[in-house]
Amino acid sequence: EIVLTQSPGTLSLSPGERATLSCRASQSVSYYLAWYQQKPAQAPRLLIYDASNRATGVPARFSGSGSETDFTLTISSLEPEDFAVYYCQQRNTWPLTFGGGTKVEIK
Amino acid sequence: QEQLQESGPGLVKPSETLSLTCTVSGGSISNHYWSWIRQPAGKGLEWLGRIFTSGTTNYNPSLKSRITMSVDTSKNQISLRLSSVTAADTAVYYCARARTSGYDLWGQGTLVTVSS
Repeated sequence: EIVLTQSPGTLSLSPGERATLSCRASQSVSYYLAWYQQKPAQAPRLLIYDASNRATGVPARFSGSGSETDFTLTISSLEPEDFAVYYCQQRNTWPLTFGGGTKVEIK
Repeated sequence: QEQLQESGPGLVKPSETLSLTCTVSGGSISNHYWSWIRQPAGKGLEWLGRIFTSGTTNYNPSLKSRITMSVDTSKNQISLRLSSVTAADTAVYYCARARTSGYDLWGQGTLVTVSS
């Protein structure tokens, strides 16, 4: 199975700062990578699909890039509601897999 | 507005079978893929499998022959059965709708604890 490694494990930033999250795949997933945001006691929410496409209703401050094995989620200027855990997920190869998550916390 | 709601026992004994149902409201279950995804407390997400409304399934090999998913279009429901459970199966279980874009609709999740 494809292993997705997310880094860093925790990102401590202040509101207004830029957040850069990484997801690395153990083998190519082409561009079939999605990003999700999860807040405490909530289900994940789809943010980005196919590496760089924002899902419906997702603010423009969220952007995704990358292909093959290296992907990045960028939040251009953190809002208070953006502090959460972020997961990447690949759909290129069965079984579908998720990364271990990056927690974005308030510094 | 479409919503998903998981339901089922919150406590299952070791070696028994976990059974959950996901009810789709506000929309049709037809012509979509539906998945079960779980999350142990404080940990990441694990994809368990998916089912199309025709009944076609794909399962995570890590669950071997323990998992069965089914669909009842007349009730707008998807079901999960996981046999021979152990403490390692304790988790919040989510149902979610799969589009080519990703999982765009999720239930609130239901906690299942495996304990005697």
